Amino acid sequence: RKEVEQDPGPFNVPEGATVAFNCTYSNSASQSFFWYRQDCRKEPKLLMSVYSSGNEDGRFTAQLNRASQYISLLIRDSKLSDSATYLCVVHDYTGGFKTIFGAGTRLFVKA
Amino acid sequence: DVKVTQSSRYLVKRTGEKVFLECVQDMDHENMFWYRQDPGLGLRLIYFSYDVKMKEKGDIPEGYSVSREKKERFSLILESASTNQTSMYLCASSTRTSGRAYEQYFGPGTRLTVT
Repeated sequence: RKEVEQDPGPFNVPEGATVAFNCTYSNSASQSFFWYRQDCRKEPKLLMSVYSSGNEDGRFTAQLNRASQYISLLIRDSKLSDSATYLCVVHDYTGGFKTIFGAGTRLFVKA
Repeated sequence: DVKVTQSSRYLVKRTGEKVFLECVQDMDHENMFWYRQDPGLGLRLIYFSYDVKMKEKGDIPEGYSVSREKKERFSLILESASTNQTSMYLCASSTRTSGRAYEQYFGPGTRLTVT
């Protein structure tokens, strides 16, 4: 089992739709969680950190479910500009620092 | 705005050459990272550094070394380039300040081709 797993997609949604991605992680001791977006041939850019209580930034909501060991990203009112690959990132600090990226979920938003 | 720059966007080297990839950040971040990104494999950590002259191996350090002589600069060295090191190399930096710890900011990447 991979340490961090994401559905590769692609998710094809119309503008205005709500879409959600999940990311599962295998180490229950993982401590920090993030979502990044990566446009084609560009570097990843931080979208948001994921806090235990859940957090929201405009149209984006991130949640953490420690019991089931997954994080989620919800995008409301999708825009064409949301088309990208979304990467989840998990940090472990036990036994030394470790940062693990998921392989990403591709999203296409269509007019 | 955090700015992370990398010395080259595209690089073509021959097998056996020594290759230097440079990364500079302007935000006084303590941590710096080197990753490679390959299709289907995602980003994999090669090395990271949490302070000047300090380094830790990541998941795939074999065939690579690093140098951090100044806080703002982190270099990745391929001692003897091989074709399986053809990849996109991404540098990142982050602070350790509580509340923003380990939010990583990436440079634009260097696409290295080894022939």
